[in-house]
Amino acid sequence: NAGVMQNPRHLVRRRGQEARLRCSPMKGHSHVYWYRQLPEEGLKFMVYLQKENIIDESGMPKERFSAEFPKEGPSILRIQQVVRGDSAAYFCASSPRGGGAVSYEQYFGPGTRLTVT
Amino acid sequence: GDSVTQMEGPVTLSEEAFLTINCTYTATGYPSLFWYVQYPGEGLQLLLKATKADDKGSNKGFEATYRKETTSFHLEKGSVQVSDSAVYFCALRGTGSGSRLTFGEGTQLTVNP
Repeated sequence: NAGVMQNPRHLVRRRGQEARLRCSPMKGHSHVYWYRQLPEEGLKFMVYLQKENIIDESGMPKERFSAEFPKEGPSILRIQQVVRGDSAAYFCASSPRGGGAVSYEQYFGPGTRLTVT
Repeated sequence: GDSVTQMEGPVTLSEEAFLTINCTYTATGYPSLFWYVQYPGEGLQLLLKATKADDKGSNKGFEATYRKETTSFHLEKGSVQVSDSAVYFCALRGTGSGSRLTFGEGTQLTVNP
């Protein structure tokens, strides 16, 4: 069973360009989470999605960032008009279910390291 | 809101030394607690977890006990190996926070032969 896949692994963008990060969850998983890891910091939650639905986007910056998880295909995290402060590692995780009283394990991908020049 | 505080790193040990990485948390209700490990260039892997007070999570020689009275979940290993060198993250999933995880800052562990 393939793990969570993210691509690209490394992405370089100039200020003002758009960055698109892709995440393919594990087979059978319908819940996806995005986290951002700034240099020398822990991971910070950004957004939680199910197929075709955003469940919790309380960690997403209000501007320039958006996420989707279509019925078919990978989840996409899009950053428009990137700035240097967006340079970070972006991790995707997936789980078979989410919420409720049971703690479902989140399986993490290898991350996409975004560098804005 | 929920928060996790880890001991400051980095930590450098010799092989076969005893390891403790401290983790304390702030959360309402009864969160689930986790330790994740990140090897260089890789994503996070779940190392162990505990879902209620006094539970002990264990895996690969690592242990952590959910202490509600001290709001702690310290990671321990009796004899570390070079292959344990990695970054260790303490995390919680709060009862009122849906499914998202809240992470500590991470502790870099280096084990020398």
